[in-house]
Amino acid sequence: RKEVEQDPGPFNVPEGATVAFNCTYSNSASQSFFWYRQDCRKEPKLLMSVYSSGNEDGRFTAQLNRASQYISLLIRDSKLSDSATYLCVVGEPSGTYKYIFGTGTRLKVLA
Amino acid sequence: GEEVAQTPKHLVRGEGQKAKLYCAPIKGHSYVFWYQQVLKNEFKFLISFQNENVFDETGMPKERFSAKCLPNSPCSLEIQATKLEDSAVYFCASSPGGELFFGEGSRLTVL
Repeated sequence: RKEVEQDPGPFNVPEGATVAFNCTYSNSASQSFFWYRQDCRKEPKLLMSVYSSGNEDGRFTAQLNRASQYISLLIRDSKLSDSATYLCVVGEPSGTYKYIFGTGTRLKVLA
Repeated sequence: GEEVAQTPKHLVRGEGQKAKLYCAPIKGHSYVFWYQQVLKNEFKFLISFQNENVFDETGMPKERFSAKCLPNSPCSLEIQATKLEDSAVYFCASSPGGELFFGEGSRLTVL
């Protein structure tokens, strides 16, 4: 089993749709969780850090479920510009400064 | 600087030649990471530094790869005697200890 797993997609959704991605992680001691966006082989850009209480930034909502060991990303009112690969990144226990990357979920928002 | 600066953007080498990549982390960030991303989107961890000290080098193919982060100089990743399978995008990231901030990457093509 991979340490961090994501459905590779692609998720093809129409503009305006709501789409959700999940990411599961295997190490229950993992400490930090992030969603990054990567466009077409460019550098990953931080979308959101994910906190236990959940967090929202505009159309994006991230949740952490420690009991089931997954994080989620919800995108509401999808825009064409949301088309990208969404990477789940999990930080290992505090002090290790080790980050495990998922393979990414591709999203295509269609006009 | 305010962003991670990587050079060169593109590098082409013949098999067996040396390749050297550079990374200037964001000022004030203590941690520097090198990752290799090949075609399947997977990020392979190579090495991390805490200031100028190697923090974790478990991902480095030590026979041919070496890296340094010296004071007042960009960090560097050097590949001696490149092989075809070294063709990839090499991302440098810096961190104050939480989120990773990535440079634009250096695309290495080995012919």
